[in-house]
Amino acid sequence: GQQVMQIPQYQHVQEGEDFTTYCNSSTTLSNIQWYKQRPGGHPVFLIQLVKSGEVKKQKRLTFQFGEAKKNSSLHITATQTTDVGTYFCAANTGTASKLTFGTGTRLQVTL
Amino acid sequence: NAGVMQNPRHLVRRRGQEARLRCSPMKGHSHVYWYRQLPEEGLKFMVYLQKENIIDESGMPKERFSAEFPKEGPSILRIQQVVRGDSAAYFCASSPRPSNEKLFFGSGTQLSVL
Repeated sequence: GQQVMQIPQYQHVQEGEDFTTYCNSSTTLSNIQWYKQRPGGHPVFLIQLVKSGEVKKQKRLTFQFGEAKKNSSLHITATQTTDVGTYFCAANTGTASKLTFGTGTRLQVTL
Repeated sequence: NAGVMQNPRHLVRRRGQEARLRCSPMKGHSHVYWYRQLPEEGLKFMVYLQKENIIDESGMPKERFSAEFPKEGPSILRIQQVVRGDSAAYFCASSPRPSNEKLFFGSGTQLSVL
């Protein structure tokens, strides 16, 4: 079945440093979504990318969808302690009925 | 407009008992998904339901697990004869349309099996 891998599994940064997580699929994706889960919380939708090479920004967050639609990245500029949590990418193919979540990247930010 | 409601938030069961987890989707949402999350791990798809129909149950164990989404009332995930390995957080999500739309997640049910 379709697998979505994320790297790194864990990253610890100092506040103010940048952070990037990468999502890779073995198959071409029709779209990709990103979610954030705070410690002890539930996943919250951040964004959806649909077009090849698409780039979207939300304040300090930049999301990118690869040209081949097999990979995606989330970049956070100048991290803050409020960015702490696990970031998941999620995807389905055009015919799949379920959203498959990536393995997640846990971000820890310290002062 | 209430979000996705799950109850109970915490459920403790002894081995061999039954666990019933309930999920009320957001108003106007007819698509419900159940995911399981083990500590420090990702979300594993279990089942996708529309009203009165199971659309995809490929992630749900064949034995002891069942799910329903009746015409009236919440979606129910039922686990019979629970074992310690069933201990996990179970999240329900809903959407107004099939899953190429964003999902709205509930707060989850933390199941602990003693």
